[in-house]
Amino acid sequence: AQRVTQPEKLLSVFKGAPVELKCNYSYSGSPELFWYVQYSRQRLQLLLRHISRESIKGFTADLNKGETSFHLKKPFAQEEDSAMYYCALSGGDGNKLVFGAGTILRVKS
Amino acid sequence: DVKVTQSSRYLVKRTGEKVFLECVQDMDHENMFWYRQDPGLGLRLIYFSYDVKMKEKGDIPEGYSVSREKKERFSLILESASTNQTSMYLCASSLAAGGPKQYFGPGTRLTVT
Repeated sequence: AQRVTQPEKLLSVFKGAPVELKCNYSYSGSPELFWYVQYSRQRLQLLLRHISRESIKGFTADLNKGETSFHLKKPFAQEEDSAMYYCALSGGDGNKLVFGAGTILRVKS
Repeated sequence: DVKVTQSSRYLVKRTGEKVFLECVQDMDHENMFWYRQDPGLGLRLIYFSYDVKMKEKGDIPEGYSVSREKKERFSLILESASTNQTSMYLCASSLAAGGPKQYFGPGTRLTVT
């Protein structure tokens, strides 16, 4: 079975502090992992995907197959990063996504 | 830019009513999806469709049905709305050849009283 776990419902940090949003997955094959973000009053949108190996808005995420993790990191949080973040996995069916429960990131000034 | 639109932003219905939620995408995507979004539960897949007139059950299809008569339109139907179907409903679409990257609509917040 495919499962995505985001252990933190809420992560609160100060502006300028490092951020790490945790994501662990369960899947026996080779997954594709994503982070989606939903800012206040906006629609859910793709932030980044592991195969792209890119940095978007200062965020990066590395797939660690040994630890089955795909944590989202940013060295210096900004207030505009405050949003809901979802980790998602695509497994055997290359078109479907399985989402985690989401983590609210709150960046305080 | 891909545009996914949903017919209503907010909807209030009574228990037992039949409810239609409409979703339209303008980018000729083959795949369309309906999710419900609940705090602490994330997004859960209700139904999806990879082609016109095709539908497949997702993880929580009970109490819902769907219709896809045209490629650009995917409807979610609550045959007899119940209070436990109060939720935010998100529609998404994707290209068959584009892999799992999905584009989302703005959502419909449905309240069943």
